[in-house]
Amino acid sequence: KQEVTQIPAALSVPEGENLVLNCSFTDSAIYNLQWFRQDPGKGLTSLLLIQSSQREQTSGRLNASLDKSSGRSTLYIAASQPGDSATYLCAPYSGGYQKVTFGIGTKLQVIP
Amino acid sequence: DAGVIQSPRHEVTEMGQEVTLRCKPISGHNSLFWYRQTMMRGLELLIYFNNNVPIDDSGMPEDRFSAKMPNASFSTLKIQPSEPRDSAVYFCASSLGLGQGRAFFGQGTRLTVV
Repeated sequence: KQEVTQIPAALSVPEGENLVLNCSFTDSAIYNLQWFRQDPGKGLTSLLLIQSSQREQTSGRLNASLDKSSGRSTLYIAASQPGDSATYLCAPYSGGYQKVTFGIGTKLQVIP
Repeated sequence: DAGVIQSPRHEVTEMGQEVTLRCKPISGHNSLFWYRQTMMRGLELLIYFNNNVPIDDSGMPEDRFSAKMPNASFSTLKIQPSEPRDSAVYFCASSLGLGQGRAFFGQGTRLTVV
């Protein structure tokens, strides 16, 4: 069974800071990994999908890295803005289990 | 495309009543997922379909829960009878492939059972 851990659980930073969100997973035999954003009272929005053969994926100020062998992924947010405040969830897809497993998420607050 | 559409957005019902949640996936997506989200347990996968066929329902908590996908554009999640501990936000998501492609989520249905 895949287990996903996200550290830290919550993070508060001043606007403009660069920050890193961490995700670890127990089963390294993944097909891909997605990072999602969830705003309060809303559904999840897929930010980045990184394939198991890739090391990095970038979208604007977001950069996701993947180290499959060690079971780790990081989401780097550059020059954070108050609009980045949300919960960020990591979700690896285990081809063997044919399931996407979600972490609990990191709740980010960017202070103006 | 309007994205994944769920209805209703909010549902308040009395214990023992039947509740039906509805989902319209993105056109062309062949996989559909039902999730439940609570503060205590986070996002839990309840059941998922591929090409309208249920693939894995091991996440369905009890026999009170059932899901159907009669065609590629519609799915339902039913709880009968409902209990207060079923109160949660229920999300539907769709994708191309079981996990190979990005998953797109609906806005969710907030269910309160009193």
